[in-house]
Amino acid sequence: AQKITQTQPGMFVQEKEAVTLDCTYDTSDPSYGLFWYKQPSSGEMIFLIYQGSYDQQNATEGRYSLNFQKARKSANLVISASQLGDSAMYFCAMRGANTGNQFYFGTGTSLTVIP
Amino acid sequence: GAVVSQHPSWVICKSGTSVKIECRSLDFQATTMFWYRQFPKQSLMLMATSNEGSKATYEQGVEKDKFLINHASLTLSTLTVTSAHPEDSSFYICSARDLSGGVKDTQYFGPGTRLTVL
Repeated sequence: AQKITQTQPGMFVQEKEAVTLDCTYDTSDPSYGLFWYKQPSSGEMIFLIYQGSYDQQNATEGRYSLNFQKARKSANLVISASQLGDSAMYFCAMRGANTGNQFYFGTGTSLTVIP
Repeated sequence: GAVVSQHPSWVICKSGTSVKIECRSLDFQATTMFWYRQFPKQSLMLMATSNEGSKATYEQGVEKDKFLINHASLTLSTLTVTSAHPEDSSFYICSARDLSGGVKDTQYFGPGTRLTVL
């Protein structure tokens, strides 16, 4: 069974500071992908970053980086230099090689950037 | 990234009527599309997997006769909520996999459709 856990229902960060959003997962698949999506109040899901289970290096995309610790089964999202526009819901998701096309989503973390 | 559109973006209907929501992949072909439902302040719940040219695969607890899915082409999937009731009011989001060479296995989401049933 696949499971994604996000333990932080809400987070606050000062503008220009860095913030880490936690995500842990559980899977029996030997190969899997981990994703982070941003959902602003408008509702659209915006793809941020991807990490493959066999990738040797942590993924980075601009101000987003993924702190991937395979042994701990964690895939935390780090947002550097937070901006007011970063205020949104953030969802961690996983797709396993043996689960077809299905994504499993965490419960989300609401991030608020304070000016 | 790839673009997925949804129409309409919001709809209000009377109880008992049917509502059709369209999901289109605009710049890539999608043999598989997904339909999710999201309640306020909650995560996305997968309703069904829509496969081009074949029947959709529904998740446990989702009534296939109530939520009709048609995936007639490689760029279009439709979700029809039949005989809608107030409890069907929700945010419905579709997504599609782009296998054209971008980030592996990424699903791209439509902007969502907010359904309100009076």
